[in-house]
Amino acid sequence: DTEVTQTPKHLVMGMTNKKSLKCEQHMGHRAMYWYKQKAKKPPELMFVYSYEKLSINESVPSRFSPECPNSSLLNLHLHALQPEDSALYLCASSQDPGSSYNSPLHFGNGTRLTVT
Amino acid sequence: GESVGLHLPTLSVQEGDNSIINCAYSNSASDYFIWYKQESGKGPQFIIDIRSNMDKRQGQRVTVLLNKTVKHLSLQIAATQPGDSAVYFCAENNASGTYKYIFGTGTRLKVLA
Repeated sequence: DTEVTQTPKHLVMGMTNKKSLKCEQHMGHRAMYWYKQKAKKPPELMFVYSYEKLSINESVPSRFSPECPNSSLLNLHLHALQPEDSALYLCASSQDPGSSYNSPLHFGNGTRLTVT
Repeated sequence: GESVGLHLPTLSVQEGDNSIINCAYSNSASDYFIWYKQESGKGPQFIIDIRSNMDKRQGQRVTVLLNKTVKHLSLQIAATQPGDSAVYFCAENNASGTYKYIFGTGTRLKVLA
């Protein structure tokens, strides 16, 4: 079992829908991430929050809107998505890389998103 | 540009044999490396990491080797088991406090009974 919990596990949405993906971790990590993963490809970074502030936005379209309500929670709000946005959306957390040493990412099991 | 790549997209290994998964990186500033295992329907799972001040690190049935001279990383799995079947990704990061972990393209390990 992973220490990063993502809900829902599966989501099917139409192009006009609004939905949200949720992520929770209780490891005391202060950095949280959203990644997108297409089939047979490595994860691609979308957003990074550090101490609840957005640190990195990898030029992600505005139809994806992240939110970090507190240090344990991370949301990804979805609106007007396209079929090509169908993918596995992974949440991860880590200790703050700004500390004196690096630490690994800890991933959830993802939300399998299908846009119809 | 920066890249972390793998030599073999698919590796088939007989159960009980040792597996070696390779990874090449091009950023000489990278000093922290991680191996992940991703099973079908799951997120990447941390296996082992290594910092650039080390050449070798061992875990339970796994060993990571780092050759900074040729910018090469490998993951060795001893006595490969059916449960080891998965896609393996290497990832690198550098010590400047970046949040960007660069992932390799992945290798699928198939364990043959």
